[in-house]
Amino acid sequence: DTAVSQTPKYLVTQMGNDKSIKCEQNLGHDTMYWYKQDSKKFLKIMFSYNNKELIINETVPNRFSPKSPDKAHLNLHINSLELGDSAVYFCASSQYGTGGFDEQFFGPGTRLTVL
Amino acid sequence: GIQVEQSPPDLILQEGANSTLRCNFSDSVNNLQWFHQNPWGQLINLFYIPSGTKQNGRLSATTVATERYSLLYISSSQTTDSGVYFCAVEETSGTYKYIFGTGTRLKVLA
Repeated sequence: DTAVSQTPKYLVTQMGNDKSIKCEQNLGHDTMYWYKQDSKKFLKIMFSYNNKELIINETVPNRFSPKSPDKAHLNLHINSLELGDSAVYFCASSQYGTGGFDEQFFGPGTRLTVL
Repeated sequence: GIQVEQSPPDLILQEGANSTLRCNFSDSVNNLQWFHQNPWGQLINLFYIPSGTKQNGRLSATTVATERYSLLYISSSQTTDSGVYFCAVEETSGTYKYIFGTGTRLKVLA
């Protein structure tokens, strides 16, 4: 029973393409997040959704668009991929999250490589 | 914004040794969490510890929020403890800032 799952695990694509990463959580949590981990292992939050509503939108190029069809799913769509988008993208969820960040649980990550 | 620094940046231990990892933050925080990123890249939740002390098996953590630091203790280390340990904090400013530390890379030798 995977708590937070992501697909695909690996994604290799050409510059200029559009791709999506999917995330699902079965923990019944209200809030979901996307994080980016760069090649130096630095982790940074990108987006947060609470009950399908965007809460946090950090300084991220507008080529990145999150979509939450329901509170158990948060997908990340990336348009016009660039070399600098290569990274590992982690999805996470937490039970609450509206007033701040509570305990977070992470998915396995998606390693995106842009050629 | 808040700065989160972890020390040491790198640590090599023999199996069975004990270690202490430190997380310093430059301003008051609402909460703090410790994670272990294993060699396969998985981020594993260790402790959610805004203050006080918690223990889970060979691991324990203490956060002294008033002095702006948290410590992660690993006792009787095993090779499976290898990986990178991160702390992450939420600023109290109400701006929804969640900041990860720079990490401590731990290698436990058999």
